[in-house]
Amino acid sequence: DTAVSQTPKYLVTQMGNDKSIKCEQNLGHDTMYWYKQDSKKFLKIMFSYNNKELIINETVPNRFSPKSPDKAHLNLHINSLELGDSAVYFCASSQGGTSGRAAQYFGPGTRLTVT
Amino acid sequence: AQKVTQAQTEISVVEKEDVTLDCVYETRDTTYYLFWYKQPPSGELVFLIRRNSFDEQNEISGRYSWNFQKSTSSFNFTITASQVVDSAVYFCALSEGEYGNKLVFGAGTILRVKS
Repeated sequence: DTAVSQTPKYLVTQMGNDKSIKCEQNLGHDTMYWYKQDSKKFLKIMFSYNNKELIINETVPNRFSPKSPDKAHLNLHINSLELGDSAVYFCASSQGGTSGRAAQYFGPGTRLTVT
Repeated sequence: AQKVTQAQTEISVVEKEDVTLDCVYETRDTTYYLFWYKQPPSGELVFLIRRNSFDEQNEISGRYSWNFQKSTSSFNFTITASQVVDSAVYFCALSEGEYGNKLVFGAGTILRVKS
């Protein structure tokens, strides 16, 4: 019973390509997130959606476009991939809207390698 | 602005030793939340604990304990009688108030427990 799932787990692609990562949560949470973990393990938020509405966009290049078709899904589409986009991308979810008190539960991560 | 500092980059201990992971935070809010996450070698991020700024009671969960001190802006994590399975990267994180649900992570501490 996976709580937060992501597909694919690994993604290897060439510079300039467009790719998508999908995320689904079955926890009934109302808020979902995308985080990026770089090669030094540093984690930084990219986006946050509450009830399908974008509430956080952390100065991410507009080549990255999140889409939330419903509360249980948050996908990340990346256009014109660059070498610097290589990282692990984590999806997360929480319950409690925009409150900072909610614990966030993370998916297994998607390791993106751009060659 | 929010900031989380984990000054210990890497710690190595021998099994059954106790180990404390340090976390110091900065925030201007009076309402904030502190978290610890574990990232084992398999890569997923596992939620361990959440603390709010109004509750300075220390917490114990099995071999894990947390010491929250507002006076020193610290939220330290102790593992008692460490085991090899505790080997992981541990992240401390902060979120602010009722309208700030992004997690700001520290750089992480790599814990290696040797048998």
